[in-house]
Amino acid sequence: GQNIDQPTEMTATEGAIVQINCTYQTSGFNGLFWYQQHAGEAPTFLSYNVLDGLEEKGRFSSFLSRSKGYSYLLLKELQMKDSASYLCAVSDSNYQLIWGAGTKLIIKP
Amino acid sequence: ETGVTQTPRHLVMGMTNKKSLKCEQHLGHNAMYWYKQSAKKPLELMFVYNFKEQTENNSVPSRFSPECPNSSHLFLHLHTLQPEDSALYLCASSQERAQAPSYEQYFGPGTRLTVT
Repeated sequence: GQNIDQPTEMTATEGAIVQINCTYQTSGFNGLFWYQQHAGEAPTFLSYNVLDGLEEKGRFSSFLSRSKGYSYLLLKELQMKDSASYLCAVSDSNYQLIWGAGTKLIIKP
Repeated sequence: ETGVTQTPRHLVMGMTNKKSLKCEQHLGHNAMYWYKQSAKKPLELMFVYNFKEQTENNSVPSRFSPECPNSSHLFLHLHTLQPEDSALYLCASSQERAQAPSYEQYFGPGTRLTVT
């Protein structure tokens, strides 16, 4: 079956760096997405990786290793507003998104 | 209005009621989606419409009935629901559906549904 694994919850300190991991097993691969979802709000797009390597976008970076079925989202200079759930999703061979259950990130002052 | 809007934001209904959820996108997209989001579970794709044609129905019970009258509007008609159907129902849109792996999806704020 198809599976996306990510930690349920993580805690970090304001100003620090945190890495949220995502491992996947899917039938085919057409790219990996990261979304951010604040409580009670819509998920919003953060990044898309289809080739191996690191994509940097401001304070957020996303890494992909297709051979290892692994990705991570790196958040630098954490701010209180970064407290949210982070969703990992993989586009499979049918271009259908397979979603992880999300990682709830708690930022402490 | 901009982006993707959903109404109502909250809905409480009995198991014998009939209600409808509405989604509207103002992005000029051609694909629209219904998802179910339950606590601590992955998003579950329910239905996909591409250019107003339903392209996917992921084994969703018939008590959920989608309707897509045009590329900007999507409805989810509900009847005879069960308490386990209580969840957040999210609508999303993207530029296209098929062979478009990089097309990000834009989500609405969701309808929080409670079935009593």
